[in-house]
Amino acid sequence: GQQVMQIPQYQHVQEGEDFTTYCNSSTTLSNIQWYKQRPGGHPVFLIQLVKSGEVKKQKRLTFQFGEAKKNSSLHITATQTTDVGTYFCAGPINTNAGKSTFGDGTTLTVKP
Amino acid sequence: KAGVTQTPRYLIKTRGQQVTLSCSPISGHRSVSWYQQTPGQGLQFLFEYFSETQRNKGNFPGRFSGRQFSNSRSEMNVSTLELGDSALYLCASSFLQGIDEQYFGPGTRLTVT
Repeated sequence: GQQVMQIPQYQHVQEGEDFTTYCNSSTTLSNIQWYKQRPGGHPVFLIQLVKSGEVKKQKRLTFQFGEAKKNSSLHITATQTTDVGTYFCAGPINTNAGKSTFGDGTTLTVKP
Repeated sequence: KAGVTQTPRYLIKTRGQQVTLSCSPISGHRSVSWYQQTPGQGLQFLFEYFSETQRNKGNFPGRFSGRQFSNSRSEMNVSTLELGDSALYLCASSFLQGIDEQYFGPGTRLTVT
């Protein structure tokens, strides 16, 4: 079945360093979503990308959707301790616009 | 707007028992999805309900079932509990069926002993 792979699994950074997580799909995705889950919390929707090559920014966060719509990335500039958590990408399960398959997530820890 | 609510927040059950979890979506949202989250398996999709009908189903055994009521509230049931069913069960609501941003509830932490 369709898989959504995410790397790295863990990332430890010093506060102020940049961070990037990558999401790759075995098939073309109609869209991709990104979520953040703080420790002990629940996933919170960040953004949805739909168009090939799309780039969206939210303050220090930059989201990209690949030209082939098979990969995506989330880049955080100058990380802060508030960025700590697990970042998930999610893509549709099937071409019938079913609900999303989540990647395994990248857990970010930030050392002050 | 009130967020997604789930009850109970914590549950402890023994093997062989059955359990029912409840989810109330955001007002106006008609789609409710259920996920199982475990440290080893990540977020696994269980099923999605829209307008009281199951629209999508993940790869879980028949012991896992659900339903949705006319007010969009949803319940999921797990029968004949196994130790491996210990997990955080998350409910997510969205306005549309299928591709749409999802709003997650706080989850129900189920422990099976």
